[in-house]
Amino acid sequence: SQQGEEDPQALSIQEGENATMNCSYKTSINNLQWYRQNSGRGLVHLILIRSNEREKHSGRLRVTLDTSKKSSSLLITASRAADTASYFCATLILNNDMRFGAGTRLTVKP
Amino acid sequence: DAMVIQNPRYQVTQFGKPVTLSCSQTLNHNVMYWYQQKSSQAPKLLFHYYDKDFNNEADTPDNFQSRRPNTSFCFLDIRSPGLGDAAMYLCATSSRGWQEHEQFFGPGTRLTVL
Repeated sequence: SQQGEEDPQALSIQEGENATMNCSYKTSINNLQWYRQNSGRGLVHLILIRSNEREKHSGRLRVTLDTSKKSSSLLITASRAADTASYFCATLILNNDMRFGAGTRLTVKP
Repeated sequence: DAMVIQNPRYQVTQFGKPVTLSCSQTLNHNVMYWYQQKSSQAPKLLFHYYDKDFNNEADTPDNFQSRRPNTSFCFLDIRSPGLGDAAMYLCATSSRGWQEHEQFFGPGTRLTVL
């Protein structure tokens, strides 16, 4: 069963703008991860944030985690056309189980 | 480069004809996953192996089976594919680590059922 809900479902921005995507989940987690998927391809891991962390950065990516609200956000700064993809959050729960959110489809217009 | 390989990339089968999808990895990871992803949807976990221990998701149909003969290989068998089984099938691996479990995905196999 699906764990996370993401919003927005679709986001369209201009190159250079920032993109923010949100993820909410239902159960207690060990960590939360964000993945990118280009059309028709496999998923690529972007960043992992542990349940005891609140914020993490990697290049142009910034992830926050609020375990009290069971939510996370992914911020992509200074977006590029190459950032056009679907972005999924995934939560690690029990026994190696990973649950993916529904995803946000990001379009960055040149 | 260490990687996750899926073969074939595209598979066409007929309704009811058994099909096997394969996944291999050179990462030496002990956990392997199979996901089903339909168009514009999230990947849905079908099952995973932790070493040789098989873990089936409660809502995975009996039509789907898996084999893991060794650390490197994992197979997805669909015994009698239906039209609703047309999807992208993704294999992923991760290394046992309580706080980690970053997953490495293969490119996927797109299954078409005629």
